[in-house]
Amino acid sequence: GNSVTQMEGPVTLSEEAFLTINCTYTATGYPSLFWYVQYPGEGLQLLLKATKADDKGSNKGFEATYRKETTSFHLEKGSVQVSDSAVYFCALSDQGSARQLTFGSGTQLTVLP
Amino acid sequence: EPEVTQTPSHQVTQMGQEVILRCVPISNHLYFYWYRQILGQKVEFLVSFYNNEISEKSEIFDDQFSVERPDGSNFTLKIRSTKLEDSAMYFCASRESWGADTQYFGPGTRLTVL
Repeated sequence: GNSVTQMEGPVTLSEEAFLTINCTYTATGYPSLFWYVQYPGEGLQLLLKATKADDKGSNKGFEATYRKETTSFHLEKGSVQVSDSAVYFCALSDQGSARQLTFGSGTQLTVLP
Repeated sequence: EPEVTQTPSHQVTQMGQEVILRCVPISNHLYFYWYRQILGQKVEFLVSFYNNEISEKSEIFDDQFSVERPDGSNFTLKIRSTKLEDSAMYFCASRESWGADTQYFGPGTRLTVL
């Protein structure tokens, strides 16, 4: 079955530091890949996505590139802010009709001023 | 911007009681989902719903669970006889069409079973 393995947290960084959160996946076929973010006390918000190999998703300074050869979708940001403190989830959906999401375990990011 | 809404935000119930969690998906969306997140654990798929029937369900979604779209706007998850281990955050999500790949999530309902 499908699975997503995500970098263990928590991660604590100083403001303006570089962020990488690793994500690798196992799936048959050609899944779509997502990063969702969950701010304290809130639901899941789509941060970015990529639907085919070599696509780069980007939003709010975050980027992730769909690497089929390494089955990875690592999240990066060049300069984090305190407001980026949240839990980040990597997820995939397969090409079946239901397209349910399979999530990684989540990575708690804390950015200190 | 259209959004998925869920009520209540927090539900407390006694073990063995029935609960109904309610969701209003985005109005032109056709695919609906329930996920749950036990505290400190990953988000898990429960069920997907399309054209008034279940299209996929996980092992978690046993006979104690049911879903319904009773009218043109609401999408409900019923747990018939709650257990302590049903305590979790329950998220509803919707997707626009077969060709769309993004699911939009509601803010969640925190269910506490005592």
